[in-house]
Amino acid sequence: DQQVKQNSPSLSVQEGRISILNCDYTNSMFDYFLWYKKYPAEGPTFLISISSIKDKNEDGRFTVFLNKSAKHLSLHIVPSQPGDSAVYFCAASEASGTYKYIFGTGTRLKVLA
Amino acid sequence: NAGVTQTPKFQVLKTGQSMTLQCAQDMNHEYMSWYRQDPGMGLRLIHYSVGAGITDQGEVPNGYNVSRSTTEDFPLRLLSAAPSQTSVYFCASAGWANSPLHFGNGTRLTVT
Repeated sequence: DQQVKQNSPSLSVQEGRISILNCDYTNSMFDYFLWYKKYPAEGPTFLISISSIKDKNEDGRFTVFLNKSAKHLSLHIVPSQPGDSAVYFCAASEASGTYKYIFGTGTRLKVLA
Repeated sequence: NAGVTQTPKFQVLKTGQSMTLQCAQDMNHEYMSWYRQDPGMGLRLIHYSVGAGITDQGEVPNGYNVSRSTTEDFPLRLLSAAPSQTSVYFCASAGWANSPLHFGNGTRLTVT
């Protein structure tokens, strides 16, 4: 039972354009959501997060949107750069501080120069 | 600041062998966890710990044991390795609930 789903295994975008990565979840108890970027042969690195009390969080070129009613979040990267080419994972954790972070299957983003 | 350190980086085991993957963090984080990454499966939670002496199972715990005797260390033990445990293993830590996980650089394990 996949509680966090990333239905697009891959995405290609031209340099300078917007990249939109999507994530859906099924567990209504999730209240904290994160995005990670992963390069080959490295550990995932934290990008941006959002708590369920917000519907948007911005950090430079990265914006995360949360739609609680649809149980959907998205990561927008504007403008996309070749260095953004990586695998992106969304993750979620439950309320009450259970510390269980559940990850999606990842989306491989390729930014074309 | 070393962050999360995993050893070894690579390991090859024969079926039935045992080994321990080491994980240490120097950030005084209470929460630590182990994930495995497989193609098309993303990062799946194996075991996690919310503090010294406390561990719990994640999504895929079978075949793995953990213990947490100190805040800094969270080793993952494979008692009898199987080819299905061929994977890349990541250790991660967090300082408090609803804070970002910090990951190590992974251990690539091959079981033949």
